[in-house]
Amino acid sequence: GESVGLHLPTLSVQEGDNSIINCAYSNSASDYFIWYKQESGKGPQFIIDIRSNMDKRQGQRVTVLLNKTVKHLSLQIAATQPGDSAVYFCAETGGSNYKLTFGKGTLLTVNP
Amino acid sequence: DTGVSQDPRHKITKRGQNVTFRCDPISEHNRLYWYRQTLGQGPEFLTYFQNEAQLEKSRLLSDRFSAERPKGSFSTLEIQRTEQGDSAMYLCASSLVASSEQYFGPGTRLTVT
Repeated sequence: GESVGLHLPTLSVQEGDNSIINCAYSNSASDYFIWYKQESGKGPQFIIDIRSNMDKRQGQRVTVLLNKTVKHLSLQIAATQPGDSAVYFCAETGGSNYKLTFGKGTLLTVNP
Repeated sequence: DTGVSQDPRHKITKRGQNVTFRCDPISEHNRLYWYRQTLGQGPEFLTYFQNEAQLEKSRLLSDRFSAERPKGSFSTLEIQRTEQGDSAMYLCASSLVASSEQYFGPGTRLTVT
């Protein structure tokens, strides 16, 4: 069936560096792609989303890029901080129900 | 804090017992979703409500699972005759209708012994 997956299960960066987390998706019918951050023992936290008719969207210290040609989604975090350490999930949604389909997640570790 | 609360945060139960979880969404949100998350995996959709109507249930939701949202505000998820395979984090999320922004609660971690 259709699914959303991630290229890398773990990513380790130095504090202050930029981080890039990647995701591949397979459902061409998805309307939105979303990035969530999940810290240990907490529920996923909405970071940013991008509509399928867009290529790029920027938020505070984060940028999401969507490449529909190769069905690829990425999350860029500028000046990564220790508080950014968490598991990051990409998710996709579409249709009338807006239920989310999540990938497996990437663990981001920020070293001081 | 997203504004979505869940109770209890942790539940340990013996196999065969019934358990019930509660979710209080953001007050103005019409939609309420339930997901289940196992260790190392992303959340999986279980069911969702629009106001008090349950509009979709995943095939993951066996007959032992039932969810309600009687007044279109809080929701409950009940699992009857729990099995060890039910051990997971149960997450609730809410959103406005036709919005991609779902806000999750902290989850209820269920352990079935």
